[in-house]
Amino acid sequence: GAGVSQTPSNKVTEKGKYVELRCDPISGHTALYWYRQSLGQGPEFLIYFQGTGAADDSGLPNDRFFAVRPEGSVSTLKIQRTERGDSAVYLCASSSLGDGEAFFGQGTRLTVV
Amino acid sequence: GEDVEQSLFLSVREGDSSVINCTYTDSSSTYLYWYKQEPGAGLQLLTYIFSNMDMKQDQRLTVLLNKKDKHLSLRIADTQTGDSAIYFCAPLSAGNKLTFGGGTRVLVKP
Repeated sequence: GAGVSQTPSNKVTEKGKYVELRCDPISGHTALYWYRQSLGQGPEFLIYFQGTGAADDSGLPNDRFFAVRPEGSVSTLKIQRTERGDSAVYLCASSSLGDGEAFFGQGTRLTVV
Repeated sequence: GEDVEQSLFLSVREGDSSVINCTYTDSSSTYLYWYKQEPGAGLQLLTYIFSNMDMKQDQRLTVLLNKKDKHLSLRIADTQTGDSAIYFCAPLSAGNKLTFGGGTRVLVKP
């Protein structure tokens, strides 16, 4: 596609439920990043994929968060037992070189009620 | 890990220059990026500088890097109302990790 696509654009879920957020990167981009942005703050790094493998998952806050990229293209961020503090905009970005020249999607706004 | 600090807010008159400042802690950062975020829109890459440069000019944008002091700035010449947005400084650390500052909200007054 023309850009990074994230679905859904909005997700409201009840506390304790499981959610999946999807990212379709730009075709051919081998690097893929997930960030989380809370209101009034900068994006916070979660995880970085190079191809199918997670090159750096040091930003995942705890074991409720998990991300996969099985074929080196689409990625899914999975959050178990959601908490109200997980409410934020989740941003995905892809890059052809993994050098920071990243293209961001519009984000998924997650609200946990 | 990397810590990136930016001032919160900048107000500027249309036609004047804006200067947005950023300090960072990781001296091994190879590239340093500036991203722009407009209301309701995604993050957009504006410009970047390589760590062995001290200045880069790109049309109305000038990036200055003081590597010794770990200080980065973005100057926008002839600021327009369309430049009103949040600007993020983002150094690239080891392992290709972009670390973002908290953002500087720029308000351009007519």
